[in-house]
Order: sequence, then structure tokens, then C-alpha cells
Amino acid sequence: EAQVTQNPRYLITVTGKKLTVTCSQNMNHEYMSWYRQDPGLGLRQIYYSMNVEVTDKGDVPEGYKVSRKEKRNFPLILESPSPNQTSLYFCASSFGTIGANVLTFGAGSRLTVL
Amino acid sequence: KQEVTQIPAALSVPEGENLVLNCSFTDSAIYNLQWFRQDPGKGLTSLLLIQSSQREQTSGRLNASLDKSSGRSTLYIAASQPGDSATYLCAVKGDNAGNMLTFGGGTRLMVKP
Repeated sequence: EAQVTQNPRYLITVTGKKLTVTCSQNMNHEYMSWYRQDPGLGLRQIYYSMNVEVTDKGDVPEGYKVSRKEKRNFPLILESPSPNQTSLYFCASSFGTIGANVLTFGAGSRLTVL
Repeated sequence: KQEVTQIPAALSVPEGENLVLNCSFTDSAIYNLQWFRQDPGKGLTSLLLIQSSQREQTSGRLNASLDKSSGRSTLYIAASQPGDSATYLCAVKGDNAGNMLTFGGGTRLMVKP
């Protein structure tokens, strides 16, 4: 089944404890991206990747890092999480330019930072 | 900077009713517009994608229209069913937005049996 898989789905952590949210897709998509969803603010793009070793910032990249060492994986790294990073995170992928074609989303990762 | 607004934020209708969800955007220089459905605990599912050169797209009971000049799109759902209950989001890709999408805040729809 074609899908985007995120892990963990739920995580509670404390301020400053580094964490990684993994994202993997099995559709051989070139483009992958991370979004956060907050009440009243909708989805906002954090980072995106156009292909292996090519990444760029979205609207809200502060406090996050990403890497794209393999085409299928695009992990989101929070080096020193803070409470304002409590949010629902989504990974998405597509053929071609993000948004030019149908986006496939993961099920989401709900992160709470205490 | 592009801004996308969806009004109302929530909508409750009886089963069988035809309904319209609205999406407005501030910059008409768009590449395309997508409508998504989001169910609780799940990711977003793409429903319809309208290219800037198109006026509308249809899929089953769903019809999405696009009016670039007025900065508006509507999602029409015919003969609504309880299974249509979800949050519906629109997202705009600008002409010069590269790999950026701008999402609206969504409309939470409840269809009552």
C-alpha cells in the first residue's frame, strides 16, 4: 500500500530533550515536507526537500532540523524542544514540485513538550 | 504574502442537504488550489486539485470551483451524508511560491443523521 509513515504517533517529552520524528514513504516521491498544525493557525510548512541532500526552509523553520540522506526518509529533528513546539506534525510527499501534484500525508505525530 | 481564509470555521447540517464550503485567498497569482479532507487522528486526504487555468473539478458528489480574479474557491458537496463529517481544508500554491503551500484554517463539518 502506498503510504507515508510517521513515528512516533504520540510523544510527551520535556524541554531540552532532543527528539526525532521519523517519516518514510514508499512511493519513490522526490518531494517531501513537514508541517505543523496549530488551532487557529492551520498548517504551516516547516521544511521541505526536493530530493536527496536538497532541503530548504519553509515558513516556520526555527528550532527544527531535517536531513534527506535517502529518498524514502525525511526525519524531523528537534535539538532542544520547547513548549511552543507542542503541536500536531504532518509529513507529506509528492511527485514533482510540492503542491503541483497530489500530496500524500502521513497520519500525524502529536507532540507535547512539558 | 498569501493569506488563505475559510469561513465558517464550523458548520452543522442535516443529512441530505447540499452545502458549500468557502475558501478565499489574497493573492490571485496562484498555480493551483487543492481541497483536502482531514479526519480526527488521521492525516489529510487530497480531494480535488484545480489548476489555475481550470474553472472547476468534479469527483463524485464533490465539485470544486475556482475564481482567480475574485480570489475565491468553493467546494460543493451534494446530498451530504454523516460520513462526510470531517474538517475540510483548502491550500494554495502560488505562481512564485516554489515549494510552498499556504493552507486555510479549515471548516469543521458535521452532518447529522
